[in-house]
Amino acid sequence: GAVVSQHPSWVICKSGTSVKIECRSLDFQATTMFWYRQFPKQSLMLMATSNEGSKATYEQGVEKDKFLINHASLTLSTLTVTSAHPEDSSFYICSASLPGGVHEQYFGPGTRLTVT
Amino acid sequence: AQSVTQPDIHITVSEGASLELRCNYSYGATPYLFWYVQSPGQGLQLLLKYFSGDTLVQGIKGFEAEFKRSQSSFNLRKPSVHWSDAAEYFCAVGNQAGTALIFGKGTTLSVSS
Repeated sequence: GAVVSQHPSWVICKSGTSVKIECRSLDFQATTMFWYRQFPKQSLMLMATSNEGSKATYEQGVEKDKFLINHASLTLSTLTVTSAHPEDSSFYICSASLPGGVHEQYFGPGTRLTVT
Repeated sequence: AQSVTQPDIHITVSEGASLELRCNYSYGATPYLFWYVQSPGQGLQLLLKYFSGDTLVQGIKGFEAEFKRSQSSFNLRKPSVHWSDAAEYFCAVGNQAGTALIFGKGTTLSVSS
């Protein structure tokens, strides 16, 4: 149980275009989802916290107009990278927590974004 | 400030030898501690977690970790390493409210034959 999927697993896009990444909790309802970014050989850095039905909370330094997060249902959160640039190339990982404030998070397999 | 420190960036261990990966944390509240493993290009897999109770916790793949409050540490151990254990290991800390985790920078484990 507690499986989180991400789609796509790998995407290449041209500079200036937008790309959407989906994060789904497959067998549970996730009231809270988190989006992390990981640069090569680096740790995971939290980008934003997404709660179903409300606006995402972005970490300091993360451009909310560039990284649009939507959490429209209890099983789906999306991250849209708008007007992508090569510096946005990274590994994006989402995680989800169970309702009720359970402490454990379940991570998706990640999405590799390459902007050319 | 809340932080997680993994002092060892890269460790090489011979196959069959024992392993200990270090993790120290600085956290204002009661810490909830995790160890994750990540293979290249993959997501994170939870190895084990500590919330409360017995300070020695057992995880998957033969891993264990010991919580030492006095030392603010949560070191990961395995008595006999297998070649398939080569990966990136992350220590993380969270809290009971289920907020986002704070990750250490990770330790790369290489296994030599």
